[in-house]
Amino acid sequence: QVQLQQWGTGLLKPSETLSLTCGVSGGSFSAFYWSWIRQSPGKGLEWMGEISPSGITNYNPSLENRVAISVDTSKKQLSLNLTSVTAADTALYYCARNKNSFYYGMDVWGQGTTVTVSS
Amino acid sequence: DIQLTQSPSSLSASVGDRVEITCRASQFISSHLNWYQQKPGRAPKLLIYAASTLQSGVPSRFSGYRSGTDYSLIISGLQAEDFATYFCQQTSSAPRTFGQGTKVEIK
Repeated sequence: QVQLQQWGTGLLKPSETLSLTCGVSGGSFSAFYWSWIRQSPGKGLEWMGEISPSGITNYNPSLENRVAISVDTSKKQLSLNLTSVTAADTALYYCARNKNSFYYGMDVWGQGTTVTVSS
Repeated sequence: DIQLTQSPSSLSASVGDRVEITCRASQFISSHLNWYQQKPGRAPKLLIYAASTLQSGVPSRFSGYRSGTDYSLIISGLQAEDFATYFCQQTSSAPRTFGQGTKVEIK
C-alpha cells in the first residue's frame, strides 16, 4: 500500500520561501510522475506542477516562475519550493502520485499540509 | 489554459437517486478527463480516469462518459457515503486544470 507523508513549514511571512517535502513509502518511486496541488477556498483545486520519471518538470504558468519541484530518488522524496510567498499562497498543499502517466489522474495523495502566509 | 465548466455547483439528492454531474471543456481534450471525490478534511480520491474507466476499488455505481466536449459523472443509486464534493480534471495539456466542484448534499 503506497503512502505519501508530507511535512514542512506551515506558517510563513510574506516574501519567504515555502518548502514542503513528501515521502513515499510502500511502493515504487522512480517509475511515476509526481505532482503538487493546492486548494484554497477562493480558488478551488489548483495544479501547481509535476515531475516526470526522468526529472522533467512542468509548472503552472500562473505561479510566475516562483515554483520548483524536485525529487530525491534515493530517499523516495518529492519536494516543493515556492518563493516570494504572499497571502494569496495560503492554502492546503497536497503531493500526489500520477497513475501510470500524467494522463490518468492522481491515484495516491498525501494527507495535505496547511500553509498560512501572514505578517 | 483549458477551462473546465462544471455543473451544477451544488445539488440536493436523496439516497437511491441517480445523480449526474457535467464538465464541459473549452477545448478538445481527447477523453483525458478524470473525476475525483472529496470529503471534508480529506484529500481528493480518484474515481474515474480517461473519462470512463473506473479506478480500482471504486463501486460500480459510479460511471463516466463523454459526449463531444461534455463529460459526465453518473452515480446510479446514491448512497449515504457518496455525499461529498466532486471535481473533474483535464490532463490533456498543462496546466492540468480542475473544475470548480459540485457539492452533493442530502435532500
